[in-house]
Amino acid sequence: DTAVSQTPKYLVTQMGNDKSIKCEQNLGHDTMYWYKQDSKKFLKIMFSYNNKELIINETVPNRFSPKSPDKAHLNLHINSLELGDSAVYFCASSQDLAGAIQETQYFGPGTRLLVL
Amino acid sequence: AQTVTQSQPEMSVQEAETVTLSCTYDTSESDYYLFWYKQPPSRQMILVIRQEAYKQQNATENRFSVNFQKAAKSFSLKISDSQLGDAAMYFCAYRSNNQGGKLIFGQGTELSVKP
Repeated sequence: DTAVSQTPKYLVTQMGNDKSIKCEQNLGHDTMYWYKQDSKKFLKIMFSYNNKELIINETVPNRFSPKSPDKAHLNLHINSLELGDSAVYFCASSQDLAGAIQETQYFGPGTRLLVL
Repeated sequence: AQTVTQSQPEMSVQEAETVTLSCTYDTSESDYYLFWYKQPPSRQMILVIRQEAYKQQNATENRFSVNFQKAAKSFSLKISDSQLGDAAMYFCAYRSNNQGGKLIFGQGTELSVKP
């Protein structure tokens, strides 16, 4: 009965490969996010989707492409992986109330990506 | 652009004692939300407490309380009766009512609890 789940939890891959991280929430929320936590544990927003529509894209390289097949899922696809992409990636979700995204964000367990 | 600053990279507290973690932020907005999240070694991000800027009353959640000073743009977290399970990285976060609801995080404070 996990609220926000991510797969896989760990991902080790070679430079240049393409990989995807999946996220699913069963909270009935309208809005989903991707955050990146770097080696110094700093967290930064990457993307946000509201009802399958992209609303935030924070100067992330084009190699990163989020996809939202429905409002319960937000996947992250990364092309041509680079060493600097190594990080922990968190998915989160929140509820959109009357057009204003005001509710608390609930986070998934994170995916640790290591690019060799 | 809004910024969040946590000036204490590390803090330590004795079990059963009280500790306060500092957070300041910069914004020109009047309506926003502030949060404290806890990240234990399991790396799960766990909501500790939230504060709406329009509320003057400080939020409390059991042993956790905040000191919200809107004019000073300060949002500190007080943990009372510290327990070993409180040991974690604590992040202060700001959310505007605009900007798509994104969270802006501080750098984090690593809290250790000594038995």
